[in-house]
Amino acid sequence: SAVISQKPSRDICQRGTSLTIQCQVDSQVTMMFWYRQQPGQSLTLIATANQGSEATYESGFVIDKFPISRPNLTFSTLTVSNMSPEDSSIYLCSVRGQGDGEQFFGPGTRLTVL
Amino acid sequence: AQTVTQSQPEMSVQEAETVTLSCTYDTSESDYYLFWYKQPPSRQMILVIRQEAYKQQNATENRFSVNFQKAAKSFSLKISDSQLGDAAMYFCAYRVSGTYKYIFGTGTRLKVLA
Repeated sequence: SAVISQKPSRDICQRGTSLTIQCQVDSQVTMMFWYRQQPGQSLTLIATANQGSEATYESGFVIDKFPISRPNLTFSTLTVSNMSPEDSSIYLCSVRGQGDGEQFFGPGTRLTVL
Repeated sequence: AQTVTQSQPEMSVQEAETVTLSCTYDTSESDYYLFWYKQPPSRQMILVIRQEAYKQQNATENRFSVNFQKAAKSFSLKISDSQLGDAAMYFCAYRVSGTYKYIFGTGTRLKVLA
């Protein structure tokens, strides 16, 4: 298993500003994932972050809006840029378990944009 | 495209009783995994149970069991002897074997009544 922590756990931000969310894992992992969970909705994959390479974004998500860093095998950041109220969501970091197994999730960051 | 459908936005169960949460999915793949994740109010996503599509036997984890009907593309979760701590949002998820991308359903909120 993997223990994942995220900072901040929640934040309230003003429109037009940016917020960087940190994700820390207690073990080295190749792939880290960022998800968005909009109010009352399911989880949607934003991007996959591999250490040493550019993140791979899913359809509907772009690097300019959600830049991601992956400086080492235990850490990643997701920035939500130029925020609008539509960005109000829970953002979750996750990592893949060994082999073809499950994913482990962080506790999420609840973002509210006013 | 693969899809996961949870048709019950909310369910209630009396403590100590049994409840079944429904999930259907659509795929043309033959080798895949199905998961049930629990998201309590703390937001921490926790794996409840996992089913490998090539296994005919239904997975069981203590009070949690699934009814996997591959031909019908149905994957329901049965919770026996429900406890107050089972109250959470439950997400059904799908992943093609060998890939990393999960497809999540919209979730079912389970309330457990004392």
